[in-house]
Amino acid sequence: DAGVTQSPTHLIKTRGQQVTLRCSPKSGHDTVSWYQQALGQGPQFIFQYYEEEERQRGNFPDRFSGHQFPNYSSELNVNALLLGDSALYLCASSSTRSQGTEAFFGQGTRLTVV
Amino acid sequence: LAKTTQPISMDSYEGQEVNITCSHNNIATNDYITWYQQFPSQGPRFIIQGYKTKVTNEVASLFIPADRKSSTLSLPRVSLSDTAVYYCLVAQRWYSSASKIIFGSGTRLSIRP
Repeated sequence: DAGVTQSPTHLIKTRGQQVTLRCSPKSGHDTVSWYQQALGQGPQFIFQYYEEEERQRGNFPDRFSGHQFPNYSSELNVNALLLGDSALYLCASSSTRSQGTEAFFGQGTRLTVV
Repeated sequence: LAKTTQPISMDSYEGQEVNITCSHNNIATNDYITWYQQFPSQGPRFIIQGYKTKVTNEVASLFIPADRKSSTLSLPRVSLSDTAVYYCLVAQRWYSSASKIIFGSGTRLSIRP
């Protein structure tokens, strides 16, 4: 049973470019949340997707957008990249049907903007 | 949203019991307390979750007093591999439409031989 998988693992982009990060949730999970983690800081909540809709959003600009597909996988898109967008991007999956309340995180995508 | 306060860092030695305390004075009735462990360049890993009193699993124990304004994560007999950042979170269940999960800065635990 695969856990949460994210791709790519590392990415280098130039300022102003656009990037798409992908996440496949743990089998049986239907909710995906995205986080940005700068070096030495805790993860910052970007947004959460359930039933293909954005349900919650953190304090991030509209340059950050997402999508959830019918198979529950998700994408995070960032437009007009800034140097400050360099971070580890984490995907977490959870289930609305499970008795458990924990979320499972992927290994993350390390984005470097130059 | 309940905010959490944890020590920035802690040091201990192999074989010792480590207790990390988290303050969450504004915790709401529906909030759960969850602890995660994170190693460098990896995603956080769930350790334990509780609502009140004491919870124990194969990894750790979580002590929550009656007023729920704080909680203590207890790691028995730590080893070098327990060196990591530990996050205390307070939030409603992950799948609640009202939940917005907030991570603090965490506690950087260093274990020495």
